[in-house]
Order: sequence, then C-alpha cells, then structure tokens
Amino acid sequence: GIQVEQSPPDLILQEGANSTLRCNFSDSVNNLQWFHQNPWGQLINLFYIPSGTKQNGRLSATTVATERYSLLYISSSQTTDSGVYFCAVGWGGSNYKLTFGKGTLLTVNP
Amino acid sequence: GAVVSQHPSRVICKSGTSVKIECRSLDFQATTMFWYRQFPKQSLMLMATSNEGSKATYEQGVEKDKFLINHASLTLSTLTVTSAHPEDSSFYICSASFQGYEQYFGPGTRLTVT
Repeated sequence: GIQVEQSPPDLILQEGANSTLRCNFSDSVNNLQWFHQNPWGQLINLFYIPSGTKQNGRLSATTVATERYSLLYISSSQTTDSGVYFCAVGWGGSNYKLTFGKGTLLTVNP
Repeated sequence: GAVVSQHPSRVICKSGTSVKIECRSLDFQATTMFWYRQFPKQSLMLMATSNEGSKATYEQGVEKDKFLINHASLTLSTLTVTSAHPEDSSFYICSASFQGYEQYFGPGTRLTVT
C-alpha cells in the first residue's frame, strides 16, 4: 500500500507565529485531504486538494502531485489551532480508500 | 452541508456483549461509507468500506464476523462489535462520501469494554 509521512511529528508555537506542515506520499494518488482533529476527536475537513493551491482564511495548502508532497500553511496561529493535523491520501481506483499519515501535534501557547 | 452524525458518542459495555454504532449522513446521500478505528495518540486505521446495498469490504486483519457492517440505506450505516472484549476498546469513526473522493467524518464513538 501507499506510505504517508508527515513532518514534524510535534510542533510548539507562540500565538501569532506561522508554521508549515509537510506531507509526503510514496505513489500517485487520486485525492489528498487535510484534517484538523479537535480535542474531542472530531475530524474537521480543512482542504480537499489533489493538486494546486487553496486558501481558506489563515490556512492555505499546496499539493505538488508530480513530486508527491503537500504543504499546509498556518499563519498568525491562535490557541484554538492546537490539535492534531492529519494528511490523508486517496488511492485505489474501484477499491478507493484513504490512508492517513501519523499526524502533526500542534500546540499553540498564548 | 456534508454533516455526518454518529450515535452513541460514548458507550461502556461488559465483556462478551455486543454494541451497535450508527453512522448517518444528515444532508446528503452517501454512496459509500467507511469505518475507521483510532487508538490513543495514533492515526486512523481503515477497517472496512461499505457501499449501499452491498457487502462491506474489510481491510486485511479485520475480522468480519466480529465487526458486522450494514449499509442498508444511502444515509445509514451501522457497525456492530460482537462479543466485545477489552482489546476492542477504541475510538471508532465513520465517514461518508457521495460519488466522489472527498470524505466527511462523523464525531466518533468512544467504546470502553470492561
């Protein structure tokens, strides 16, 4: 199966700082999604981004499918941004599935 | 839009009993639903994929007789953990998609088997 690696595994920031999270994957994919898992376990869809660049407020994401990586940018971080950020890639054609990376645990301190 | 609910959010059961978890897509028809399992401080692992009206496809290592999945309608899938044991304690999360690749996730069900 496909391998998904996220870096860094842990990240501690001061409020207001910017950060970049990276997701590398080992093969061609149909889809890539970024999620934020809040402290209650809910996965919140951030981006559906198989290729290109998207922005949503303070967050933006870029996927370079030909080079098999995606980046999630968080600007002017807030304490509410804390949590685990997962990258998941979709693959498999008729047996389509998402494979998740291990996540980046982000802590934003006031 | 694209809201997925799960019920119950939390359940405690005794070893040997069965537990049913419901997953509903509230504002769209889900052609495919997925069930994941997440252990503390770990990532999500896909357990099975279910298409409405078809038998579920289980991932390698997942016991189909222990984790019964039913996807009887375009808005409802259920996961039944049969003869639960303490090692089945985990966070179970469902997701749903509609004729596409993007998946929307439910809030999860925390199962504790005593």
